[in-house]
Amino acid sequence: QITLRESGPTLVKPTQTLTLTCTFSGFSLSANGEAVGWIRQPPEKALEWLGVIYWDDSERYSPSLENRLTITKDTSKNHVVFTMTSMSPVDTGTYFCAHRKVGVTHCFDSWGLGTLVTVSS
Amino acid sequence: NFMLTQPLSVSESPGKTVTISCTRSSGNIAANYVQWYQQRPDSPPTNVIYEDDQRPSGVPDRFSGSIDRSSNSASLTISGLKTEDEADYHCQSYDISTHSWVFGGGTRLTVL
Repeated sequence: QITLRESGPTLVKPTQTLTLTCTFSGFSLSANGEAVGWIRQPPEKALEWLGVIYWDDSERYSPSLENRLTITKDTSKNHVVFTMTSMSPVDTGTYFCAHRKVGVTHCFDSWGLGTLVTVSS
Repeated sequence: NFMLTQPLSVSESPGKTVTISCTRSSGNIAANYVQWYQQRPDSPPTNVIYEDDQRPSGVPDRFSGSIDRSSNSASLTISGLKTEDEADYHCQSYDISTHSWVFGGGTRLTVL
């Protein structure tokens, strides 16, 4: 059974950097084909894909945000770390990490519960 | 780049059938698979359809997906509606030109 859990600060100040950790179990991110993505959802709004990291260390980011985003992995700890720089109030929302369904290229089959991040001074 | 457009809301009565559309703004809807996710209040999304029309194990066969090349759209159909189906539904596809995952705006289904 695959599980994921996001952790990190619930409140960040404008201009600060957000760092979130996704701790997972049930798969190894060093195994061929595995990937973990990050998605966010402002209150009462749509899902927005942020980025993904693959088993081979390659990363892809949303074109509109890629200059602010970094995703790294620590396969020994089953962690994925997400950072977003220059936070502003419009970045307020719930941030999810999710597992990509193996064998199906672009589908997230398991999601963490999400963590609500508020950006405010 | 393309966008996926969904109706903001749909409503239907229990026992009836509802269809939610997801229209691709440019490029061929069939070029990349479409996925559908159900999101109940205060919960994360769960996948109910992948690769246009495939159901993950555990998803009832009341849920089905399809694509329509003529309207360049994908559809999620839920038959025999139950009150537990009341949720937000999100479509998602992949933009190969930017290597980006694209979500639709989400549709709120009310079962009344």
